[in-house]
Amino acid sequence: NAGVTQTPKFQVLKTGQSMTLQCAQDMNHNSMYWYRQDPGMGLRLIYYSASEGTTDKGEVPNGYNVSRLNKREFSLRLESAAPSQTSVYFCASSGLAGGRTDTQYFGPGTRLTVL
Amino acid sequence: QKEVEQDPGPLSVPEGAIVSLNCTYSNSAFQYFMWYRQYSRKGPELLMYTYSSGNKEDGRFTAQVDKSSKYISLFIRDSQPSDSATYLCATSVYGGSQGNLIFGKGTKLSVKP
Repeated sequence: NAGVTQTPKFQVLKTGQSMTLQCAQDMNHNSMYWYRQDPGMGLRLIYYSASEGTTDKGEVPNGYNVSRLNKREFSLRLESAAPSQTSVYFCASSGLAGGRTDTQYFGPGTRLTVL
Repeated sequence: QKEVEQDPGPLSVPEGAIVSLNCTYSNSAFQYFMWYRQYSRKGPELLMYTYSSGNKEDGRFTAQVDKSSKYISLFIRDSQPSDSATYLCATSVYGGSQGNLIFGKGTKLSVKP
């Protein structure tokens, strides 16, 4: 099992450019999450998807959109990147069908710089 | 007040020392507690989890929860240089339907040979 995979690993954008971060999990988890991690701020939830077909805002959703493409894949889109979105982005997944959903497993992260 | 408070450190100890990492939380509804370890430039990995008050041991690691004080701890015995990482505590309401976790900001630990 690969667990949670993310692409790309690194990305540099110019202000105003758009991009999509991809995430996939092979653990048959129902729930998936997108976080950003900034120095001194810890992990902050951007969006989550409790199940296929549903998405909800987290603590810091502004400037982002998400798509739960299917049970395995959850993408994060920046429509018009801003320097404040320079961060490390982590995708996570949790839960099995009918099981507890609190334990989250993280991907390796995407380091994004917006110039 | 943030729901979970964690001293960011950094914390530097000699190899073989006993390490104590701590978090406090404010919401008495939290019943599910976790510790994640994050190596530099890597994603967080689940280290320990517990559902209730008391101790849980796994090798050199012991997680302790005191619900009366709203205090959670991670103890590392015989610390090794390979334990050098950032440790994040996390908590959630038991059986939370959305699986949302509240994270502390992390404590950076350095174990010197």
